[in-house]
Amino acid sequence: KAGVTQTPRYLIKTRGQQVTLSCSPISGHRSVSWYQQTPGQGLQFLFEYFSETQRNKGNFPGRFSGRQFSNSRSEMNVSTLELGDSALYLCASSIIIRAETQYFGPGTRLLVL
Amino acid sequence: QQQVKQSPQSLIVQKGGISIINCAYENTAFDYFPWYQQFPGKGPALLIAIRPDVSEKKEGRFTISFNKSAKQFSLHIMDSQPGDSATYFCAAIPASGGSYIPTFGRGTSLIVHP
Repeated sequence: KAGVTQTPRYLIKTRGQQVTLSCSPISGHRSVSWYQQTPGQGLQFLFEYFSETQRNKGNFPGRFSGRQFSNSRSEMNVSTLELGDSALYLCASSIIIRAETQYFGPGTRLLVL
Repeated sequence: QQQVKQSPQSLIVQKGGISIINCAYENTAFDYFPWYQQFPGKGPALLIAIRPDVSEKKEGRFTISFNKSAKQFSLHIMDSQPGDSATYFCAAIPASGGSYIPTFGRGTSLIVHP
């Protein structure tokens, strides 16, 4: 069974731009969570989507948003990029919502200049 | 606000030695404590996990020790191998019913010298 895939793997943007990242969960997994990973803060939970609805949300500003499609694929959008948004963005999928076990993708490395 | 504190930030051990990574949490609403292993260019992968009603769990060379009263848990890697060189994250997952924000430690970079 294929794992979680994320596209693109690398991205360079400039301040003020917006970016959209994509995540395809493991087949049969209906929950997708997004995380931001930085050297200073580690892994931080952004939000979780299940059945096309955001079900849980971390402590990030409204510039970070997402959506989930009927096939469980998910996208994350960051608007008005700031230098501090440079990070590895990880997507994780699970069978159910609020699952204890999540399966992570390889991440998208975003660099904001 | 960091709710899971992980130490050390980096760790160097010799092949065959024991690697020990510690985590401490504050929120008693957590009820599942996984450890993840991450290699460069890869996402974190679940290594081993424990619930607070168990004091120790062992899977192969990996053992979690859990001290509920102290709100601390640790990962022990016995007979450490160069292939164990990776970044390790502890995490704390909230119980059902409350606010759901999985919380991770900041990671420990482990290097095992051959």
